Amino acid sequence: AQKVTQAQTEISVVEKEDVTLDCVYETRDTTYYLFWYKQPPSGELVFLIRRNSFDEQNEISGRYSWNFQKSTSSFNFTITASQVVDSAVYFCALGPSGGSYIPTFGRGTSLIVHP
Amino acid sequence: ETGVTQTPRHLVMGMTNKKSLKCEQHLGHNAMYWYKQSAKKPLELMFVYNFKEQTENNSVPSRFSPECPNSSHLFLHLHTLQPEDSALYLCASRDEAIGSNYGYTFGSGTRLTVV
Repeated sequence: AQKVTQAQTEISVVEKEDVTLDCVYETRDTTYYLFWYKQPPSGELVFLIRRNSFDEQNEISGRYSWNFQKSTSSFNFTITASQVVDSAVYFCALGPSGGSYIPTFGRGTSLIVHP
Repeated sequence: ETGVTQTPRHLVMGMTNKKSLKCEQHLGHNAMYWYKQSAKKPLELMFVYNFKEQTENNSVPSRFSPECPNSSHLFLHLHTLQPEDSALYLCASRDEAIGSNYGYTFGSGTRLTVV
């Protein structure tokens, strides 16, 4: 069985602070994918990143960075110099490799960035 | 706009009404999904369509009836709903071809309130 745990239900920060959203997963698959999605108040979930389990290189995209640690089954997401527009619910998801999988989503972390 | 369009954005219906939710994508994706998002609950997968064929029905009550007339359109027909069915209903599509990023593209959702 697959499981994704986002232990932080809600995080509140002040603009320009750095913030890390935690994601811990469980799977028996040897190869799998990990994802992060952002759900702003408008409702749609926006795909942010996909990470293959065999690629542990950290990734940076602008103010966003992801730290994949297979040894601790974690795939944490850091926003540097947060902005009000980063306020959203962020979901981590896990899926087995292959095209027809159905991902398992975490419960989401609500990030509130205050001006 | 994500490329997946859902209508209506908001819907209020009585328990005896019949209504339909519509989802449309012109991204060339070959799989479409209905998810239910309730407050304080994880995303719940409802139905999966691959190449217009339903491949998954996660024990969804028969008062929800999906329809996929072609690979670009997906409907969710609703009848005799209960107040606990009030939620955000999200449509998603994905390209399941090898080489794609396997990430979902979500619509903005339909906020359904059953009174």
